[in-house]
Amino acid sequence: SQELEQSPQSLIVQEGKNLTINCTSSKTLYGLYWYKQKYGEGLIFLMMLQKGGEEKSHEKITAKLDEKKQQSSLHITASQPSHAGIYLCGADRGYGNKLVFGAGTILRVKS
Amino acid sequence: EPEVTQTPSHQVTQMGQEVILRCVPISNHLYFYWYRQILGQKVEFLVSFYNNEISEKSEIFDDQFSVERPDGSNFTLKIRSTKLEDSAMYFCASRRTVAKNIQYFGAGTRLSVL
Repeated sequence: SQELEQSPQSLIVQEGKNLTINCTSSKTLYGLYWYKQKYGEGLIFLMMLQKGGEEKSHEKITAKLDEKKQQSSLHITASQPSHAGIYLCGADRGYGNKLVFGAGTILRVKS
Repeated sequence: EPEVTQTPSHQVTQMGQEVILRCVPISNHLYFYWYRQILGQKVEFLVSFYNNEISEKSEIFDDQFSVERPDGSNFTLKIRSTKLEDSAMYFCASRRTVAKNIQYFGAGTRLSVL
């Protein structure tokens, strides 16, 4: 089984619609990181969550961490074409060193 | 805004040849990483580097791979004898402090082994 499962694998939404991407870990989460990747490019850091119940927002993107469920969600409000890309969740494996990543969620926004 | 810089953006090489991928991490960062992403697959950790030595490496990082910080700014990944399966996007990342593991990634080097 995968260490970090992301769902859905891909998503097409109409511009202006809200959407949620989930990331579930099979192991204890010490830190959960959300990145965005455009196809063939590098990873852009979005947010870091460390404590259960923590919620962070940046512009129209909100991420939450449910420590008990070992799960994080990323919510985009009123999606725009600029939100399109691949969203990756990454988990800190406790020593503050390597990140392990989920397979990513491909988001397309139709205008 | 400071960023991680990687060169070249694309490297084509023949199987068996040596390649060096170069990275300039963000200047006040102390922890350095290499990851790779084979086309269509997950981003995978290769190696982490701190205080001029490797702090952790994955099973992928075998004797064919090495890393070096030859001066105060560059961080390199060398593959001694490339294989077809080394074809991937290689990302360098850096991080400032031990307190928060926020890693900043470069744009990547696409390595194509023919």
